[in-house]
Amino acid sequence: SQQGEEDPQALSIQEGENATMNCSYKTSINNLQWYRQNSGRGLVHLILIRSNEREKHSGRLRVTLDTSKKSSSLLITASRAADTASYFCATDVGSFGKGTRLHILP
Amino acid sequence: NAGVTQTPKFQVLKTGQSMTLQCAQDMNHEYMSWYRQDPGMGLRLIHYSVGAGITDQGEVPNGYNVSRSTTEDFPLRLLSAAPSQTSVYFCASSYPAQGGAGELFFGEGSRLTVL
Repeated sequence: SQQGEEDPQALSIQEGENATMNCSYKTSINNLQWYRQNSGRGLVHLILIRSNEREKHSGRLRVTLDTSKKSSSLLITASRAADTASYFCATDVGSFGKGTRLHILP
Repeated sequence: NAGVTQTPKFQVLKTGQSMTLQCAQDMNHEYMSWYRQDPGMGLRLIHYSVGAGITDQGEVPNGYNVSRSTTEDFPLRLLSAAPSQTSVYFCASSYPAQGGAGELFFGEGSRLTVL
């Protein structure tokens, strides 16, 4: 079964707002990764957080990891139209969740 | 660099036909994998390889074969196509990270329809 599960399944926000999506997983991990997929394209790696890290930043992205709760969150600040995409979390064994579809409204 | 290259991009098969989806990477990555993506199901791991000569099954391996004779290539074979194999297939590669896959680099996908 799939290791990661994202929540919510879909999210619509106004441009400029922050978007938060969550990921839960089932077993112990060495790292957790977030990916973006634009419609009809391959996935693009966004950020990797290791199991001994609690928070990581990359530009407008902020990822947190709580290994005790087996959960992670991805925050996109000051959203832009170009952020419209599906976002997936993945564990180090290569298991992906079903994704969160993010739609940025103009 | 080309990264991860998948061919063909589109394919239509009849039930029972066989075919091979090709995947090649030029980044000298040891880890390679195949996923299928279906609406509402996310990505599911079919097979993966941690190096030449080594392959293993993922979550949904039935109906698919793989081999890894070189570091660069990781073809996926459908032995007898079924309509349930209609999907978008993605190949990905990475340097191995502790305990599993590192940052995955994806191809652009191969869209397969089985009639």
